[in-house]
Amino acid sequence: EVQLVESGGGLVQPGGSLSLSCAASGFTFSYYSLNWVRQAPGKGLEWVSYIGSSGITIYYADSVKGRFTISRDNAKNSLYLQMNSLRAEDTAVYYCVRARSGRFDSWGQGTLVTVSS
Amino acid sequence: DIQMTQSPSSLSASVGDRVTITCRASQRISNSLNWYQLIPGKAPKLLIYDASSLQSGVPSGFSGGGSGTDFTLTITTLQPEDFATYYCQQSYSAPYTFGQGTKLEI
Repeated sequence: EVQLVESGGGLVQPGGSLSLSCAASGFTFSYYSLNWVRQAPGKGLEWVSYIGSSGITIYYADSVKGRFTISRDNAKNSLYLQMNSLRAEDTAVYYCVRARSGRFDSWGQGTLVTVSS
Repeated sequence: DIQMTQSPSSLSASVGDRVTITCRASQRISNSLNWYQLIPGKAPKLLIYDASSLQSGVPSGFSGGGSGTDFTLTITTLQPEDFATYYCQQSYSAPYTFGQGTKLEI
């Protein structure tokens, strides 16, 4: 069974930093591209970032470019999101998502990030 | 960036009804369109990929159609567990944008 388990969410002050992790199991991690998707309270889904299977190809949403960094460790079956210069509008549930031929076919349960003073 | 526009934003229906949600892309995206279901407290779920392919394990009452810029998600016979929020998403090019969602309510 595919499992994606996010961790690292919490309360952080504006301008602060936070690092999210996603532990994967149940599939050959190094074969798949991965994404982070978020949902702010009362809002819709927003794609945040993509990383290819080898870690070479990376994309970011304009809203996080220059502040967030996606990475992966295929030896540890783990995905990461380093978030710097956090803003109130970054408050959201962050989902780790596996992609297969473009479709987001497996999602974690999410981790809540709250940016507030 | 490709903009995705869903309609309606909310929809009231009853168990047993047939409902259709539409999604329009701001440029042609071939069949690179996916549909997801969100239920509070549960992980989002892929329903339809490549516009019309049913994801494994998804009931056959769900179907998708369209290509180019206009797409639909149809639920043939609403079940109680289908009352949720539905999102379309384009996987044609980054950023992989979502529609704004359609909340299906009783």
